[in-house]
Amino acid sequence: EAQVTQNPRYLITVTGKKLTVTCSQNMNHEYMSWYRQDPGLGLRQIYYSMNVEVTDKGDVPEGYKVSRKEKRNFPLILESPSPNQTSLYFCASTDGTSGRNEQFFGPGTRLTVL
Amino acid sequence: QQPVQSPQAVILREGEDAVINCSSSKALYSVHWYRQKHGEAPVFLMILLKGGEQKGHDKISASFNEKKQQSSLYLTASQLSYSGTYFCGTPGTSGGSNYKLTFGKGTLLTVNP
Repeated sequence: EAQVTQNPRYLITVTGKKLTVTCSQNMNHEYMSWYRQDPGLGLRQIYYSMNVEVTDKGDVPEGYKVSRKEKRNFPLILESPSPNQTSLYFCASTDGTSGRNEQFFGPGTRLTVL
Repeated sequence: QQPVQSPQAVILREGEDAVINCSSSKALYSVHWYRQKHGEAPVFLMILLKGGEQKGHDKISASFNEKKQQSSLYLTASQLSYSGTYFCGTPGTSGGSNYKLTFGKGTLLTVNP
């Protein structure tokens, strides 16, 4: 089954404790993105990647890091989480070959930083 | 800049029609529409690439007016399953970075029996 998976789905942590949210897709898509979703603000792009070892900042990259060492994986790293990073996070991969540029979203990771 | 969606919320009875608008202060080269049901991930509806283009997805269609820098999503004879938050997304540049999308804040659509 074609899908994007994220782990963990829920995470409660404390300020300053480094964490990684994993994202993996099995559709061989070149393009992947991370978004955060906050009430009243919609989906905001954090980082995106156009291929292995090629990443770029989205609209709200501060406090986040990403890496793309393999095509299927695109982890999101919070080196020193703060309470303002409490949010719902979505990973997405994009089918850039069909012309639809459809983004397939993962199920989301709800992060709470205390 | 984030595209502006209107209305922010709309409540319908089953069978009624609705229009959701998406406008941008900068030139648009494409518009993407997604729907997110409560507690779920966003799901792609359609992408519009050309001025004046219209597309359909079930009884949901959309138009895109490049000159006016806006797109509208039309929901006809709404069904309970249409309930959710609708987002429009616009890419960063004409260079086709359809992967760097900026989404609007969303329109919450509620369809009641």
